[in-house]
Amino acid sequence: DQQVKQNSPSLSVQEGRISILNCDYTNSMFDYFLWYKKYPAEGPTFLISISSIKDKNEDGRFTVFLNKSAKHLSLHIVPSQPGDSAVYFCAASQQTGANNLFFGTGTRLTVIP
Amino acid sequence: DVKVTQSSRYLVKRTGEKVFLECVQDMDHENMFWYRQDPGLGLRLIYFSYDVKMKEKGDIPEGYSVSREKKERFSLILESASTNQTSMYLCASRTGSTEAFFGQGTRLTVV
Repeated sequence: DQQVKQNSPSLSVQEGRISILNCDYTNSMFDYFLWYKKYPAEGPTFLISISSIKDKNEDGRFTVFLNKSAKHLSLHIVPSQPGDSAVYFCAASQQTGANNLFFGTGTRLTVIP
Repeated sequence: DVKVTQSSRYLVKRTGEKVFLECVQDMDHENMFWYRQDPGLGLRLIYFSYDVKMKEKGDIPEGYSVSREKKERFSLILESASTNQTSMYLCASRTGSTEAFFGQGTRLTVV
């Protein structure tokens, strides 16, 4: 059973606009969340993370929001750029105990120039 | 600069062959992982290791085994390759609850 879900397989956004990628999780023990970006034929690269003690973390154009009660997180990219076109994966883990990272199925973002 | 290196970018193997995928990290991380990525299925965990000679099954271990004889090296073994094991294989390493670092991936095709 998928513990981390990304229900939108794809998203298209105009350059300069906001991209919002969503992620839901089912395991209430998860307390650390990450976003990765992946280009074809390359490994995923880490973008940004958030601990469950926060509800927002910002790094340049990237902001992650966490809603623990809804078990939902989102990644906002503002402004979107054509180079942001990639597959984005959401991941979750527990900060103590097992160190597995559980990944969602990914959302393919296309930023249209 | 942190580095996870997978031995091959592309591999083509025949059905029934034994296949070795090697991964080396230079960050002294205790945790190492093997995932496979397939369209629409995301990254699925095959095996992980939290210490030398230690291994744990992930979500899809069938048809695979692993070896971790040294801290920096984690090998994935396909005992008898089958066409349904054609996939992108990704190795990662991690320390504690920080982010995981991935290798560049190995695109394996089994014919």
